[in-house]
Amino acid sequence: GDSVTQMEGPVTLSEEAFLTINCTYTATGYPSLFWYVQYPGEGLQLLLKATKADDKGSNKGFEATYRKETTSFHLEKGSVQVSDSAVYFCALSDLGNTPLVFGKGTRLSVIA
Amino acid sequence: DTGVSQNPRHKITKRGQNVTFRCDPISEHNRLYWYRQTLGQGPEFLTYFQNEAQLEKSRLLSDRFSAERPKGSFSTLEIQRTEQGDSAMYLCASARTNTEAFFGQGTRLTVV
Repeated sequence: GDSVTQMEGPVTLSEEAFLTINCTYTATGYPSLFWYVQYPGEGLQLLLKATKADDKGSNKGFEATYRKETTSFHLEKGSVQVSDSAVYFCALSDLGNTPLVFGKGTRLSVIA
Repeated sequence: DTGVSQNPRHKITKRGQNVTFRCDPISEHNRLYWYRQTLGQGPEFLTYFQNEAQLEKSRLLSDRFSAERPKGSFSTLEIQRTEQGDSAMYLCASARTNTEAFFGQGTRLTVV
């Protein structure tokens, strides 16, 4: 079945550092790809998405590009802030047919 | 658009008791999903509805778990004869077909 693998955490960065969280997927079809973020004590929020190969999703300074050739959707941000501290989940779905399949999540801690 | 609402936010119950959680989706969202999230893991899909029809329930963890969505509006998830292993965060999400899912803040269940 479909699956998502993302890098193990926790990741600890200093403020203004560059962030990369790796995500690769296995899918039988052509899924849409997502990054969700979970701040402490809150539910999951959609951060960004991409629905087809070579699409780039972006939001709040975060970016991820749908790479079909490497089956990847790595999350990047050029300069992290303390407020970015959260757990980040990579996920996939065939929007018309299937529920989301999530990775295990990567905890990010940004220190001032 | 008031978002996905879940109640209660927290539930502590004794082993062997039955519990029921409620999810109110975003209005006009025809799809409703239930997930379970344990510590350090990504959300695990349980079941989902399109309007009042339950399209997938084979992923419910055991026959102690059941879900309903009468009239295609709110949904309930019931766990009978709770066990300590049922302790987790139970997440609800809703979506329109072919669009991304929006999550509630979850119900944290603790079985003592």
